[in-house]
Amino acid sequence: DIQMTQSPSSLSASVGDRVTITCRASQGISTWLAWYQQKAEKAPKSLIYAASSLQNGVPSRFSGGGSGTDFTLTISSLQPEDFATYYCQQYSNYPYTFGQGTKLEIK
Amino acid sequence: EVQLLESGGGLVEPGGSLRLSCAASGFTFSSYAMSWVRQAPGKGLEWVSSIGFNGNTKYYADSVKGRFTISRDNSKKTLYLQINSLRAEDTAAYYCARHTSTLKECFQQWGQGTLVTVSS
Repeated sequence: DIQMTQSPSSLSASVGDRVTITCRASQGISTWLAWYQQKAEKAPKSLIYAASSLQNGVPSRFSGGGSGTDFTLTISSLQPEDFATYYCQQYSNYPYTFGQGTKLEIK
Repeated sequence: EVQLLESGGGLVEPGGSLRLSCAASGFTFSSYAMSWVRQAPGKGLEWVSSIGFNGNTKYYADSVKGRFTISRDNSKKTLYLQINSLRAEDTAAYYCARHTSTLKECFQQWGQGTLVTVSS
């Protein structure tokens, strides 16, 4: 199985900050990488697919990058509604696997 | 508007069974691969099972293989997960998710989840 490792596990930041979350795959997955946002007690929401493509309706302050084993999710200017937990997921091979999550908290 | 509405969760004793349902609306259900993803309390997301648009191809996580069965009824626009031989570690919120299109793609839409609690 492909292991996905996110860093950091938690992050404190302020509104307006630029933040980057990284995700590393245990083997190459090309760009078969998605990012999801989950707010407390809510269902996940799809943000990015194919490592860097935004889902419809996702604000342009979100961006994704990387290929192979190393990926990033960047929020260019944090908004209050962005404080949530973020998960990466590989869909190169079954079993599909998620990172452990990065909790983004207000400083 | 795409909607996925899960139901069927509840409190069940270890060894028991449940059938979860996910009713879809707002899109052509028969054209999309579907999946179940679960989340134990306070934990991360775990992929459980996926099924192709016509039901012919299915995948399962090792942790549920032989106990869980995914199926779909395209005429009823409904996805199912039959879960048997339940264990305490199966306690989780279960989400259904629609793929972007095929099984080879990621999850584009999610339901609100249904909670399964396994306890005596």
